[in-house]
Amino acid sequence: NAGVTQTPKFRVLKTGQSMTLLCAQDMNHEYMYWYRQDPGMGLRLIHYSVGEGTTAKGEVPDGYNVSRLKKQNFLLGLESAAPSQTSVYFCASSRNLGGDLNTEAFFGQGTRLTVV
Amino acid sequence: DQQVKQNSPSLSVQEGRISILNCDYTNSMFDYFLWYKKYPAEGPTFLISISSIKDKNEDGRFTVFLNKSAKHLSLHIVPSQPGDSAVYFCAALLQGGSEKLVFGKGTKLTVNP
Repeated sequence: NAGVTQTPKFRVLKTGQSMTLLCAQDMNHEYMYWYRQDPGMGLRLIHYSVGEGTTAKGEVPDGYNVSRLKKQNFLLGLESAAPSQTSVYFCASSRNLGGDLNTEAFFGQGTRLTVV
Repeated sequence: DQQVKQNSPSLSVQEGRISILNCDYTNSMFDYFLWYKKYPAEGPTFLISISSIKDKNEDGRFTVFLNKSAKHLSLHIVPSQPGDSAVYFCAALLQGGSEKLVFGKGTKLTVNP
């Protein structure tokens, strides 16, 4: 009964280092999302995917890249970390959104990233 | 340019009373709205949703009202319980569009015993 699992839960990076955040879902959902949450800013969409092999930019995509090689996984990459990328990152997945099916997005527990 | 606005960063109510959380949106094309609840150190969890073809949706103690002409929705929690203390996010979606869920900044609700 895992749902959406994010790895790692915490990470400290030095400026300029790279890393990949992994999101895995076991609900066979088509759609997956990466959000960041900053104090007073709510949840802002970084990138999203509406199916395996597809990705699209969200509201704040700069400095991040994503890949969806497998339906169940959505990877978020930081090629050269900056202090401005210090945040809590949330992955989410959904079957679809809205409509008569009354579906919603399911979120992971979050990854707290600090860039020093 | 914020499309979904939650203008009250915080709200404090007494246990047993009603909590009313408000949300305004600017894009009249949004046609599906959701409320999420978030505890510290956890991911957001879905609470309740409403389609633009309705003006009210109820689930137990939680009711969401939608006023399309005013581009306003509200979440009512009756009666409020201390376990309801959390940050509540309003989110909006344009169905059949880019499938992007747009969130407000959240309102921190504190229910005092």
